Amino acid sequence: GAGVSQSPRYKVTKRGQDVTLRCDPISSHATLYWYQQALGQGPEFLTYFNYEAQPDKSGLPSDRFSAERPEGSISTLTIQRTEQRDSAMYRCASSRIAGGANIETQYFGPGTRLLVL
Amino acid sequence: AQSVTQLDSQVPVFEEAPVELRCNYSSSVSVYLFWYVQYPNQGLQLLLKYLSGSTLVKGINGFEAEFNKSQTSFHLRKPSVHISDTAEYFCAVSDRRDDKIIFGKGTRLHILP
Repeated sequence: GAGVSQSPRYKVTKRGQDVTLRCDPISSHATLYWYQQALGQGPEFLTYFNYEAQPDKSGLPSDRFSAERPEGSISTLTIQRTEQRDSAMYRCASSRIAGGANIETQYFGPGTRLLVL
Repeated sequence: AQSVTQLDSQVPVFEEAPVELRCNYSSSVSVYLFWYVQYPNQGLQLLLKYLSGSTLVKGINGFEAEFNKSQTSFHLRKPSVHISDTAEYFCAVSDRRDDKIIFGKGTRLHILP
């Protein structure tokens, strides 16, 4: 596609419910990132994928958070048993190849704003 | 581990005046440095990045930043701001061995008429 898309753009849920957020990266982009951005803060890294592999999950705040990218393209971020502190903007980004010595630009999607009541 | 400090949470500037948004980082290894911009109700957009070479980096919309290794700084500058520059600006750092980008808390730029 033309850019990174995310859905839904807004999600309101009750505490204790599960939510699943979706990210469609730029087609042919190998690497996909998930970030959490609380109000008044910068984005914080959650996890990323190289195709379907998930080399780094270190940023996931708890085992209630999980992410998948089963076919190496679309990714989902699932939050189980949501808590009010999970309320934030969840941002997805993709880059053509992995970083390292020739780091590629990360292109960000519009984000999903999650509100847990 | 890397960290990024943006000391100013908000910066008011008159239109057509120059602006500098400050960014300092800490890292024990060589890093890549970035500035991202977020316009109201829009997503994050890369403004510029420093990977290697010249320490003065030019980005989009007339912005530039200078990498200063001795001061571990990467301040963003523009000689004359416009009302359309109203946005939040994020400084970020990445370890050269890693794919993660660590963001600062952001600086909100207010352009005064």
